[in-house]
Amino acid sequence: GQQLNQSPQSMFIQEGEDVSMNCTSSSIFNTWLWYKQEPGEGPVLLIALYKAGELTSNGRLTAQFGITRKDSFLNISASIPSDVGIYFCAGRGGSYIPTFGRGTSLIVHP
Amino acid sequence: GAGVSQSPSNKVTEKGKDVELRCDPISGHTALYWYRQSLGQGLEFLIYFQGNSAPDKSGLPSDRFSAERTGGSVSTLTIQRTQQEDSAVYLCASSLDSRGGEKLFFGSGTQLSVL
Repeated sequence: GQQLNQSPQSMFIQEGEDVSMNCTSSSIFNTWLWYKQEPGEGPVLLIALYKAGELTSNGRLTAQFGITRKDSFLNISASIPSDVGIYFCAGRGGSYIPTFGRGTSLIVHP
Repeated sequence: GAGVSQSPSNKVTEKGKDVELRCDPISGHTALYWYRQSLGQGLEFLIYFQGNSAPDKSGLPSDRFSAERTGGSVSTLTIQRTQQEDSAVYLCASSLDSRGGEKLFFGSGTQLSVL
C-alpha cells in the first residue's frame, strides 16, 4: 500500500525561527494535505494542494506540492509559541481515503 | 451540531470486554471516516462510509473490529474482546462528500485504554 515518510519526527526551536518539514511518498498523489493537531484535539486542516508545483500560503505557513507528485513541503516562518503541535501530511491518490504520515512534533521555546 | 462530536472522550476498559465508540458527524456530510492514532504514530485508516454505499472496511485490523452507520448519520465503532494493543485514540472525521474528501473535519477523538 501507499507509504508516507514524514520528517523530521520532532523539532525543538526558538521562537522567531523558521521551520521546514517534508513528506515523501512511494507513489504519486493527486492531493497533498497538511494538518495540525493540538493536545486533546483532532487534526485541523491547514493547507490543501491540488496541482504539481503548486505553492500555497496560509498566513505564516507555506506549503508546496512537489513536481514529482511524490513529495510535499511545509514551511512556517517566524514561529510563535502557539505553533506548538503535531503537524501531519496526508496524501490522496486514486482512493478517496487520505493516507497520513507519522507527524512532526513541533516545540517552540519562548 | 457545529462540529464532529465523539463520545465518550475517554474510555477505560478491561481486557476482553467489548466497547462501543460513537461518532456524530457534521450535519449534511455524507462521508465518514474512522482512524486510529497510537502513541507516536500517524493516523491509521480503519473504515470509510460514503452515503448508502457499502463501507470500505479495508483498514480494520481484525474481525474484532466492526462499525456501522445508521441512517447515513451517526456511526458506532465496536471493538469486541478488547486487547491491550487496542489502546489508542480513535478519531472520527466527516466530509461533505467523497469528492471533497480532502476537507476532512475531525472530532476530538476517544482515548481508549485497555487494562
